[in-house]
Amino acid sequence: SAVISQKPSRDICQRGTSLTIQCQVDSQVTMMFWYRQQPGQSLTLIATANQGSEATYESGFVIDKFPISRPNLTFSTLTVSNMSPEDSSIYLCSGEGTEKNTEAFFGQGTRLTVV
Amino acid sequence: GQQLNQSPQSMFIQEGEDVSMNCTSSSIFNTWLWYKQDPGEGPVLLIALYKAGELTSNGRLTAQFGITRKDSFLNISASIPSDVGIYFCAGRRRDMRFGAGTRLTVKP
Repeated sequence: SAVISQKPSRDICQRGTSLTIQCQVDSQVTMMFWYRQQPGQSLTLIATANQGSEATYESGFVIDKFPISRPNLTFSTLTVSNMSPEDSSIYLCSGEGTEKNTEAFFGQGTRLTVV
Repeated sequence: GQQLNQSPQSMFIQEGEDVSMNCTSSSIFNTWLWYKQDPGEGPVLLIALYKAGELTSNGRLTAQFGITRKDSFLNISASIPSDVGIYFCAGRRRDMRFGAGTRLTVKP
């Protein structure tokens, strides 16, 4: 099965700065997604990363705060902009194809702490 | 909305015991998925279910897609210490929604 490499695996950032998280898949995938997971909580979908066009954001998430790029079918980035302590969380990317039995698989996550 | 209610929130069991957890929703889903997440890792897919009534096994794990398409359960038989982790159900229509997770602790 496909593998997602996500980096950085963790970071501690100053408030007001921005962090870009990268996801690289070892094969082409149709869909890529970005999730946020508060410690001990479930996964909340931030946005769908669309190849060659603007990402589709879920309610409560906006492009200015979480700009996303997806230049090709194997790579995507999520930027957490102008960070505040409330942004401290785990950020996960996932990929999936459209064929049956190619369900969503995840990177190992980025644990972000904003101080 | 597409809210998933997963229960129980946590379980503390003895090694060798069987485990059962479930997810229910007021919405119909086309696919039910079960993931396991270990600390510091992303969720890993355990079982995918595509048809109402479908019963699928993966080793000691068995999951079923409810007839109404609004629920699913996951059973783990003869638990072992490495079963420890958080188990998430997920339902898909256009996109995927996750349950709150079941935190499993297995005492040797």
